[in-house]
Amino acid sequence: GDSVTQMEGPVTLSEEAFLTINCTYTATGYPSLFWYVQYPGEGLQLLLKATKADDKGSNKGFEATYRKETTSFHLEKGSVQVSDSAVYFCVRARDSWGKLQFGAGTQVVVTP
Amino acid sequence: DGGITQSPKYLFRKEGQNVTLSCEQNLNHDAMYWYRQDPGQGLRLIYYSQIVNDFQKGDIAEGYSVSREKKESFPLTVTSAQKNPTAFYLCASIGDRDPSGYTFGSGTRLTVV
Repeated sequence: GDSVTQMEGPVTLSEEAFLTINCTYTATGYPSLFWYVQYPGEGLQLLLKATKADDKGSNKGFEATYRKETTSFHLEKGSVQVSDSAVYFCVRARDSWGKLQFGAGTQVVVTP
Repeated sequence: DGGITQSPKYLFRKEGQNVTLSCEQNLNHDAMYWYRQDPGQGLRLIYYSQIVNDFQKGDIAEGYSVSREKKESFPLTVTSAQKNPTAFYLCASIGDRDPSGYTFGSGTRLTVV
């Protein structure tokens, strides 16, 4: 069946390091793709999105490009901060009714 | 401020008991969702409701029940038939079908003791 696969964590980085979290998906067609972030003890927040191939989503210094050739949506940030410590979920839209499919999540830990 | 309120934040249940998790939103959103989160796994859809008095099973509905009597409220009951209920439960809503408009509650952590 359709799936979303992202790299396992935890990913531990020093402050100001470069962050990449890989995400690939399998699906029929070209679903909208999202990155959600979950800070400790909280619900999820939308970080960025891309609704069609070659779209680049960006927010708070994070970027991800929708690559249909490789069915990927990798998340990147050039210089992470301690406040970026969180769990990041790669997500695809399952249908036009708002249902989502989540990757397993990648925990990111940024140390001073 | 508009948002989703889930209560309680922590809930303990004895084996064989039913418990109900509350989810209330004041965003005037039509659609509401319940997801379950387990360590090392993504969120999985339990139930969803697109409109008042109507709801649909998600991927893991067995052992759960819901109601949608009011637009603002979508309570989830974890029944004794749920074999492994210990998890983090998240409620969400959207105003239309645009998934980027999701608003999540802060979750309820249920533990079976």
